[in-house]
Amino acid sequence: DAAVTQKPRYLIKMKGQEAEMKCIPEKGHTAVFWYQQKQSKELKFLIYFQNQQPLDQIDMVKERFSAVCPSSSLCSLGIRTCEAEDSALYLCSSSPQTGKGERLFFGHGTKLSVL
Amino acid sequence: GEQVEQLPSSLIVQEGASVLINCSYTDSASVYFPWYKQEPGKRLQFIIDIRSNMERKQNQRLTLLFDKKTKHLSLHITATQPGDSAIYFCSPHNRIFFGDGTQLVVKP
Repeated sequence: DAAVTQKPRYLIKMKGQEAEMKCIPEKGHTAVFWYQQKQSKELKFLIYFQNQQPLDQIDMVKERFSAVCPSSSLCSLGIRTCEAEDSALYLCSSSPQTGKGERLFFGHGTKLSVL
Repeated sequence: GEQVEQLPSSLIVQEGASVLINCSYTDSASVYFPWYKQEPGKRLQFIIDIRSNMERKQNQRLTLLFDKKTKHLSLHITATQPGDSAIYFCSPHNRIFFGDGTQLVVKP
């Protein structure tokens, strides 16, 4: 089965600190998605990359996050100044193409705790 | 904006029972409908999908029904096992929106 790798698995930051998490998409996948999940429920879309270019993102990401895919084999999601409400599981997923008919492959996630 | 409604939010059943999870969406342009399962401590995992030109798809104990007219999907799980305990998500909006999830607990 395809596997997406996320690092670190756990991240603890103080309020106001910067946080960074990385994702290695499945080889050959050109679409990368980041989601935020709180309390093991709702998956909130954050940003979507196609061929390393950001094509869609929510306002929160534009304002407080930094997200890049410097290569086809690495993406990163950063939070410039952590806030308590950023505590969540951050999930990265990838899929082979940009079309509407492909399933997503997920990483285990990075669990961020902001103290 | 687009909306997804997934019900129920939680289910507790005895092993062997059947369950039904419903998902409604608003985007008429949606053509592909994957479902995912999230077990505690494990990564989200694809379980079944259906395309808009189909009405029904079965994969072992999973049956997915799709009504294009009403924009409604139903996931039917038969003969549930404790290993089916997980959160189930529908994803009707091109990977951007997910349902809020249905937490299924199957008691032995």
